[in-house]
Amino acid sequence: AQSVSQHNHHVILSEAASLELGCNYSYGGTVNLFWYVQYPGQHLQLLLKYFSGDPLVKGIKGFEAEFIKSKFSFNLRKPSVQWSDTAEYFCAVNSPANSGYALNFGKGTSLLVTP
Amino acid sequence: GAGVSQTPSNKVTEKGKYVELRCDPISGHTALYWYRQSLGQGPEFLIYFQGTGAADDSGLPNDRFFAVRPEGSVSTLKIQRTERGDSAVYLCASSLGVGGGAEETQYFGPGTRLLVL
Repeated sequence: AQSVSQHNHHVILSEAASLELGCNYSYGGTVNLFWYVQYPGQHLQLLLKYFSGDPLVKGIKGFEAEFIKSKFSFNLRKPSVQWSDTAEYFCAVNSPANSGYALNFGKGTSLLVTP
Repeated sequence: GAGVSQTPSNKVTEKGKYVELRCDPISGHTALYWYRQSLGQGPEFLIYFQGTGAADDSGLPNDRFFAVRPEGSVSTLKIQRTERGDSAVYLCASSLGVGGGAEETQYFGPGTRLLVL
């Protein structure tokens, strides 16, 4: 079955630490990959997306993600986190196999950045 | 321009009651999606519309759930005979169209938090 796995459910980092959140998917064929973020009290916002081309994708607020096709992975990275990065992060995948290109989400990773 | 809006933001109801949740997509977006997010989980697909008709409702959990989009813009998710297990955040998203291109990115509303007592 098609699935999206996020390895870390809760991550706690100090400010200025580096961040890497894992995301793996099990899909055959063409995929589009996304990271969404939900800040406390706010709605889901798109952080970055990959459709084709350069597998290293840069998003907002200094985030980037790398699509590694051979590993079915799309890990999210940031070299130096800030307190304001405290949020819930969701990896999502869609493909022609999803009716209407509906998004299939992982369970999310809760990130807490301490001062 | 305005983003996706959803009303009400919170809804408390009693078991067995009927509820309606509204979604107003971004102007010009033809595709509209409903998702449900339970505590500690990612959003799960319920139904999507391309224009006025429900193109795929395979994600609806049972026949107590129904959604409409009569004029191809605003959509209403309807839940009959609510159960405690229906408590969740119901999210709406819209996109310019349906497809795998960058322009078909889905944009989410703030959600309606439903609590069934």
